[in-house]
Amino acid sequence: EPEVTQTPSHQVTQMGQEVILRCVPISNHLYFYWYRQILGQKVEFLVSFYNNEISEKSEIFDDQFSVERPDGSNFTLKIRSTKLEDSAMYFCASSERTADNSPLHFGNGTRLTVT
Amino acid sequence: RKEVEQDPGPFNVPEGATVAFNCTYSNSASQSFFWYRQDCRKEPKLLMSVYSSGNEDGRFTAQLNRASQYISLLIRDSKLSDSATYLCVVSSRSNTGKLIFGQGTTLQVKP
Repeated sequence: EPEVTQTPSHQVTQMGQEVILRCVPISNHLYFYWYRQILGQKVEFLVSFYNNEISEKSEIFDDQFSVERPDGSNFTLKIRSTKLEDSAMYFCASSERTADNSPLHFGNGTRLTVT
Repeated sequence: RKEVEQDPGPFNVPEGATVAFNCTYSNSASQSFFWYRQDCRKEPKLLMSVYSSGNEDGRFTAQLNRASQYISLLIRDSKLSDSATYLCVVSSRSNTGKLIFGQGTTLQVKP
C-alpha cells in the first residue's frame, strides 16, 4: 500500500536555527498538509496546500513557517528560527481530494526537539 | 467551548467488553466527521468515517447526531489490540480540507 514518508524521523536543533522537514506524499494525491502534536496534546492543523499554493493556514503558522513543493514529489516544511515551543511531532499528510471527502494519509512523523 | 471535545479517559476494560466513546463539536457548519486511531507516539490512522445515518464496520459502530452536535463510537467484543487513543475528528467549514482533532480518548483493554 502506498504511504507518505517523512524524513528525518528525529531532528534535534538549537533555538534560533532553521530546520527543514521533508515529506514525500502519495504520488496521485493532490492535497497536502502539515499537522503537529506537542507531547500530550492534541493534533493541530498547521497548513493545507493545493495546486502549488497554500489553501489555508492556522494561527500557529506564522512568518517563521513556510512550505514548498520544490520538485513535484517532495513537500517541505521550513521553520526559519526555531523556538523551544516548536518542539513537537510534525506530521505530513496527503489526500486524493480534500480531507473532508477522502481519507487523510499521515506519514510516520518527524520528532523535532529544540534545545 | 472547545471545537471538539472528548473525555480523555483512560477507559480500562476487560477483553470482550463493549465500550462507547462520545464526542461533541462546536461548529454546526461542519460537514464531515471521522474517528481516527492513534497508537502511542505514532501517526493517526483513519478508523472510520461517520455518516448521518450511522455506520458499522465489523465490531465498530459510529453514530452522528447533528442536532446535538454529538458523535459516538461503540466498540464491541474489545480485543487487546484495540488499546489505543481514539480521536474524534471534524472538518472545518473552510472547505480546504482542514481537520480539527479532539484531544482523544485512551482505551486500555486488559486480559
